[in-house]
Amino acid sequence: EPEVTQTPSHQVTQMGQEVILRCVPISNHLYFYWYRQILGQKVEFLVSFYNNEISEKSEIFDDQFSVERPDGSNFTLKIRSTKLEDSAMYFCASSESFQETQYFGPGTRLLVL
Amino acid sequence: GNSVTQMEGPVTLSEEAFLTINCTYTATGYPSLFWYVQYPGEGLQLLLKATKADDKGSNKGFEATYRKETTSFHLEKGSVQVSDSAVYFCALTRENSGYSTLTFGKGTMLLVSP
Repeated sequence: EPEVTQTPSHQVTQMGQEVILRCVPISNHLYFYWYRQILGQKVEFLVSFYNNEISEKSEIFDDQFSVERPDGSNFTLKIRSTKLEDSAMYFCASSESFQETQYFGPGTRLLVL
Repeated sequence: GNSVTQMEGPVTLSEEAFLTINCTYTATGYPSLFWYVQYPGEGLQLLLKATKADDKGSNKGFEATYRKETTSFHLEKGSVQVSDSAVYFCALTRENSGYSTLTFGKGTMLLVSP
């Protein structure tokens, strides 16, 4: 069964460093998403992406964040200058169309020291 | 804005016990409602969904009914198994939204002992 994959599973970085989180969505899916979950808090929407552009973003998704689909398979989330409060589990998801089920990856746990 | 409230966990049950995990929501109009499950080390998986009032979603013995009058979508299972141990997330999408942004609850951990 096709699945969404994410790398790395864990990442530790120093405050102020750039990180790139990678996702490989399901191959025939057209809509891509990033969510995050700070420990003990809710899973929060960050951004959705369709047709090579951002279709929607939350207030969390400020200028420090960017997304890209650099090739036909990867979908990345970049945090330009990490802050302590960026420590969280980051989930990638994809869906075939905008009202279809979103399929989630296993997440990347990011720790900013 | 939209929000989802779930009961605090962990919920600890013995095998074959009855499960209820409460979920209530705040939203305008008629959102679609979901339960996702996360098994240890895995991603969020859709467990069931309901798209309109009075609909019942069901899967793997789990059920939830969309109750507009009480703005609830409680998850139930008649007889839990050890393999049901996981974190359960209630979620909704906005009505008639152009894109299906999910709003999640905090998640409820279920621990089932033999």
